[in-house]
Amino acid sequence: KQEVTQIPAALSVPEGENLVLNCSFTDSAIYNLQWFRQDPGKGLTSLLLIQSSQREQTSGRLNASLDKSSGRSTLYIAASQPGDSATYLCAPQETSGSRLTFGEGTQLTVNP
Amino acid sequence: NAGVTQTPKFQVLKTGQSMTLQCAQDMNHEYMSWYRQDPGMGLRLIHYSVGAGITDQGEVPNGYNVSRSTTEDFPLRLLSAAPSQTSVYFCASRYTYLSTEAFFGQGTRLTVV
Repeated sequence: KQEVTQIPAALSVPEGENLVLNCSFTDSAIYNLQWFRQDPGKGLTSLLLIQSSQREQTSGRLNASLDKSSGRSTLYIAASQPGDSATYLCAPQETSGSRLTFGEGTQLTVNP
Repeated sequence: NAGVTQTPKFQVLKTGQSMTLQCAQDMNHEYMSWYRQDPGMGLRLIHYSVGAGITDQGEVPNGYNVSRSTTEDFPLRLLSAAPSQTSVYFCASRYTYLSTEAFFGQGTRLTVV
């Protein structure tokens, strides 16, 4: 059974810092890995999707990397802003089925 | 383009009552799924569908029924609500069950008293 761990569970940084969120998963047989953000009381918003054949994917100030063989992905946020405050979730999709497995997320607070 | 729409946003039920959580998408996605989100347990898959007329169980299916009569709609039915079903429910869709981006609705917060 796929298990996903996200470290740290919570992070508080001053505005402008560059930061890295970590995601590890136990089963490397995945189609892809998706990063989401979730604002309090809201749904999940897709940030980046990395296919299993890709090493990284970029969108604006966000860069996600994937090392499938070691079961790790990182989300890099450059020049953080207060509007980046949210919970960030990673979810690999297994090749053995269609499900996404979620970690519990990293709760990020960016202080002005 | 509305994306994935869930109704209602909030609901309070008494133990034993039944209800249906609605989910609709307008992106012509084949794959739709329901998750529940609970503190300390993350999001867990309840049921999913790879196309109209085809459904299957996820990780925590007990107490829930689904059907998929159209591509657009994937309702989740609670047959006899229990306090353990108090949770936030999310519907998600993607183009196929293979390697494509998933989109989520805004959630339904359900309380069973």
